[in-house]
Amino acid sequence: NAGVMQNPRHLVRRRGQEARLRCSPMKGHSHVYWYRQLPEEGLKFMVYLQKENIIDESGMPKERFSAEFPKEGPSILRIQQVVRGDSAAYFCASSPPGGATKNIQYFGAGTRLSVL
Amino acid sequence: KNEVEQSPQNLTAQEGEFITINCSYSVGISALHWLQQHPGGGIVSLFMLSSGKKKHGRLIATINIQEKHSSLHITASHPRDSAVYICAVRTGNQFYFGTGTSLTVIP
Repeated sequence: NAGVMQNPRHLVRRRGQEARLRCSPMKGHSHVYWYRQLPEEGLKFMVYLQKENIIDESGMPKERFSAEFPKEGPSILRIQQVVRGDSAAYFCASSPPGGATKNIQYFGAGTRLSVL
Repeated sequence: KNEVEQSPQNLTAQEGEFITINCSYSVGISALHWLQQHPGGGIVSLFMLSSGKKKHGRLIATINIQEKHSSLHITASHPRDSAVYICAVRTGNQFYFGTGTSLTVIP
């Protein structure tokens, strides 16, 4: 059973380009969480998704950021028109049905986004 | 003020020492998580607690819901325990994270 897979591990974009970060949860996991870790800062919650539903996106910036978790395929975090301040490590975590109140989360290795 | 406060921020210990990392929170929670982040950046979940105490190997986590406080203990510390330990609380659908405790265990 593979762990949470995130790709790419490193992503370099120029200002104004789009960044797409992918997360494949562990097999059988239906809950996905995205977090951002800015340089020298702690983790911040961004969004919580279940299959085909956004449960809570209160941590997402209002503009340029979106997330989805389709019925088939990985969860995608999309950042449009990236700016230098978007440079960060983006972590995805998944948990089984019941969510992270009843279960620990399993983290991916993260995607390190650098915006030039 | 952060919803989650950890102490100490930095901790250096000799191999074999007993280590305690503290976490206090100010919001009502449904669960508390302890995470370990290695120098390479990867994050591992250590514990999820909603009450009482859990033990896994040399690691012990406790939580006092009334006092809104949790501790992570490491017995017989080892250099491979060197990492950043992060406390996270779940309230509603959101998570709030402490800024982490950076632990260095010296041989």
